[in-house]
Amino acid sequence: RKEVEQDPGPFNVPEGATVAFNCTYSNSASQSFFWYRQDCRKEPKLLMSVYSSGNEDGRFTAQLNRASQYISLLIRDSKLSDSATYLCVVPPRANQAGTALIFGKGTTLSVSS
Amino acid sequence: EAGVAQSPRYKIIEKRQSVAFWCNPISGHATLYWYQQILGQGPKLLIQFQNNGVVDDSQLPKDRFSAERLKGVDSTLKIQPAKLEDSAVYLCASNWAENSPLHFGNGTRLTVT
Repeated sequence: RKEVEQDPGPFNVPEGATVAFNCTYSNSASQSFFWYRQDCRKEPKLLMSVYSSGNEDGRFTAQLNRASQYISLLIRDSKLSDSATYLCVVPPRANQAGTALIFGKGTTLSVSS
Repeated sequence: EAGVAQSPRYKIIEKRQSVAFWCNPISGHATLYWYQQILGQGPKLLIQFQNNGVVDDSQLPKDRFSAERLKGVDSTLKIQPAKLEDSAVYLCASNWAENSPLHFGNGTRLTVT
């Protein structure tokens, strides 16, 4: 299994739809996970941290499933402004020298009116 | 709080030329990272510094890439000689603690012709 894998999409949804992205990871000892959002030609920005108990921020919900080694991001009531690439971010490999977070390739979301 | 500063924003060079990028992290962030993001991919770590020491440079193509952070604050990344496949966005990031969220600069978009 790769360190982190995401469905690249694109996910094309209408405004108001609910959409969910999953991301699998390989390091079972991983503790810290994040979702980043990246707009076209911009730098990645932190969207949410992912806690063991799951967490919610407005229309966004992030969950962690340790048994199956995946994290998810749920977006409710999609807005046009949610159109972006969503990057799944996981801790480094167990044998990695440093502590640099590892990024997935991203899932592209396009919300249309 | 000032963010991560990077320069230049854009650079176009011919293959076999050299180029240098500069980054100033958020004040107080001891850890600095350089990531390379090729179009359609997630950011890939090139090098991680902790203060002025290298923590992880395992994915840095050392035959052509070099980086330094001499005083433990700002950093430069150099490519010499550049290849066509080096065309990418070079992102600098910093964080305050291991596995804490990364803060990215605007990036430098490099085009090698």
